Amino acid sequence: QKEVEQDPGPLSVPEGAIVSLNCTYSNSAFQYFMWYRQYSRKGPELLMYTYSSGNKEDGRFTAQVDKSSKYISLFIRDSQPSDSATYLCAIRPNNYGQNFVFGPGTRLSVLP
Amino acid sequence: GAVVSQHPSRVICKSGTSVKIECRSLDFQATTMFWYRQFPKKSLMLMATSNEGSKATYEQGVEKDKFLINHASLTLSTLTVTSAHPEDSSFYICSAREGVGDHGYTFGSGTRLTVV
Repeated sequence: QKEVEQDPGPLSVPEGAIVSLNCTYSNSAFQYFMWYRQYSRKGPELLMYTYSSGNKEDGRFTAQVDKSSKYISLFIRDSQPSDSATYLCAIRPNNYGQNFVFGPGTRLSVLP
Repeated sequence: GAVVSQHPSRVICKSGTSVKIECRSLDFQATTMFWYRQFPKKSLMLMATSNEGSKATYEQGVEKDKFLINHASLTLSTLTVTSAHPEDSSFYICSAREGVGDHGYTFGSGTRLTVV
């Protein structure tokens, strides 16, 4: 079983839709969770990060963590064509010396 | 915010030649930089951790002699792909950590390497 799994998509939605992106992980030691957005042929940029279970909101983006299920989600409200990108989750144990494990990314297309 | 500049953005080279990729932190000092490789529709794979003034730490399966990493200053790390072959063609991305917070990782814009 891979450490971090993510549906690669592609996921196509109409403009204005609510988008749900998800990752599952296998190692209960993972404690720190991040979401990155990567446009084509560019480096990833950090969207959100969280340590704890529950929801964290930032504008149109909400990150949700369920440690009991080892399941994390990123919700995008009122999606825009400019949100079209690949979204990667990155997870790390609660040990600053450890490196992040990235999911393969979900390719999202928001159609005008 | 923190900016990491990666150069070149795209390079085509002949098989057997070497290619150097630079990663610079523009407005902060980065004692640690990371080099990743990304295949199409695949996740970022950490290749090595570059520490200023010391040898890089390579991940299992990454050839040290093939992928030479130098981190001579607090703002510059370089990755040299030596004796490149077509199978080395990939997207290479660096990242740098600013400060001690986990969210302080900033990625470069990546380098598309094509070996012909």
